Amino acid sequence: GAGVSQSPSNKVTEKGKDVELRCDPISGHTALYWYRQSLGQGLEFLIYFQGNSAPDKSGLPSDRFSAERTGGSVSTLTIQRTQQEDSAVYLCASSYANSNQPQHFGDGTRLSIL
Amino acid sequence: QKEVEQDPGPLSVPEGAIVSLNCTYSNSAFQYFMWYRQYSRKGPELLMYTYSSGNKEDGRFTAQVDKSSKYISLFIRDSQPSDSATYLCAIPTAAGNKLTFGGGTRVLVKP
Repeated sequence: GAGVSQSPSNKVTEKGKDVELRCDPISGHTALYWYRQSLGQGLEFLIYFQGNSAPDKSGLPSDRFSAERTGGSVSTLTIQRTQQEDSAVYLCASSYANSNQPQHFGDGTRLSIL
Repeated sequence: QKEVEQDPGPLSVPEGAIVSLNCTYSNSAFQYFMWYRQYSRKGPELLMYTYSSGNKEDGRFTAQVDKSSKYISLFIRDSQPSDSATYLCAIPTAAGNKLTFGGGTRVLVKP
C-alpha cells in the first residue's frame, strides 16, 4: 500500500506570507505526527493527533503554527506570517493507535523562507 | 543534558566493514527504541524496533539495548555503499508516543 504522502515537496515563499503543508497518512493509521527537521535543531516533535482526542500541541514553537486533521485522515500544518527561522523540512508520520507503535514517515516538505 | 545523545560523525568505513553506531539516553524508564535510516532529501525509514534489553537481528542489521547503561547500538555487517546515509536513534519519551531523536550519525561506506 501507499506510504505517507506529503505535499508540496518543496515550497519557497517570502517572509510574512502564510503557508499550508499537507499530509496524507497511511490508510488505517489513526495516529498522525508532525515533526520539523533543521540543521541546528535536528528532528523535533511539533504536534500529535490521535483519533478524535484533542491534539497534543506541546511542540509547536509559536502561535503562528497550527494544524488540523479533518475526518481523522488528512492533516494540514499552517504557518502564518512566516519568518526566516521557519525554514526547515517539515515531516509527517503516522502509526497505529496502540502505544509505542513504530511511526512511518513521509519524505517531507522542504520550506524555504526568503 | 539532552534526553537522547548521538555522535554526529561523519563515520567513514571501507565497503565490507562493520559499522557501529550508538546512542545514550537519560531516562531509565524508556522501554522502546528505534533506529531510522535517512537518505538525502528523503524521510526517515524505520530499520529496527526493539523493546527492553538484549539483541535483535534483521539481516545485516543488529540492534542492541543495554538498559543498565542506558546505551543503544546498531551494527551493520558487510557494509555496502548503499548503506551510506544518516542513521537516527529514536525513543518514545512521553505519553502519546512522540519520538525524541538523537542528532543522527552520517555514515559513508566507500567502495
